[in-house]
Amino acid sequence: DIQMTQSPSSLSASVGDRVTITCRASQSISSYLNWYQQKPGKAPKLLIYAASSLESGVPSRFSGSGSGTDFTLTISSLQPEDFATYYCQESSRTPYTFGQGTKLEIK
Amino acid sequence: QVQLQESGPGLVKPSQTLSLTCNVSGGSISSGSYYWSWIRQPAGKGLEWIGRIYFSGITNYNPSLKSRVTISVDTSKNQFSLKLSSVTAADTAVYYCARVKNIYAFDNWGQGTMVTVSS
Repeated sequence: DIQMTQSPSSLSASVGDRVTITCRASQSISSYLNWYQQKPGKAPKLLIYAASSLESGVPSRFSGSGSGTDFTLTISSLQPEDFATYYCQESSRTPYTFGQGTKLEIK
Repeated sequence: QVQLQESGPGLVKPSQTLSLTCNVSGGSISSGSYYWSWIRQPAGKGLEWIGRIYFSGITNYNPSLKSRVTISVDTSKNQFSLKLSSVTAADTAVYYCARVKNIYAFDNWGQGTMVTVSS
C-alpha cells in the first residue's frame, strides 16, 4: 500500500492568513492526488482532484500543486468556514489511502 | 445532482455480519461513468477505503479487509451494498458510501451512518 503522510497534523491560523498543508506519498503517484475538507459530523467534501484541478463549486482561494511524491494544498486567504480537517488521498492504485489529516484551527 | 444515502442497522453484535445499503438518487448507477465505494471512519480517526464496485459487478477490496468484505450492486434498485463479516469492536465506525469519479476521486458522499459493534 502507498503511505500518505500529511504535515502538519494540526495548525492554528487566523482569518485572512495564507495556509499551506503538505502531503507526501511513499512512492510516486504522478498526479493521482485528491484533497478533501471535513467538518465535524459531516462527510468529507472534495476540494481538489488530480493534484491541481478545482472541483466545481469550490472557492478559488483553494489551490493544489505537486506531482510525484510531494503535494501541497494552499488556502490563499482563510475564511471562517475553512476551519476544518483536511485529508489528502492517493488514487493511483487500489487500495486507495488517505493521509492522517490536518486539523486547521482558529488562532 | 446525485445523492447517496446509507441505511442499515446501527448496532451489530460481535462475530455477526454488518450489512449496509447505499441508495443512489438523481443519477443511474448503470451509467457506467463511475465506480461506487464504501469508506469508513472510526470516531476521531482518519478515513479507510473499504472497496469499490462497478455497475457490472466488478469489485476491488482493501486487502486488509478482503477476507471479510463483500460489495454488491443492484442496478434495478439503483443501490449498492456492503457486507462485513465476523465484526469486532474495531469495526465500529461511521460508514460512508461515495461515488468515484474519473481520476478516482470521491466526488459525492452519503451523510454517513454510525455502526457500533457491541453485545
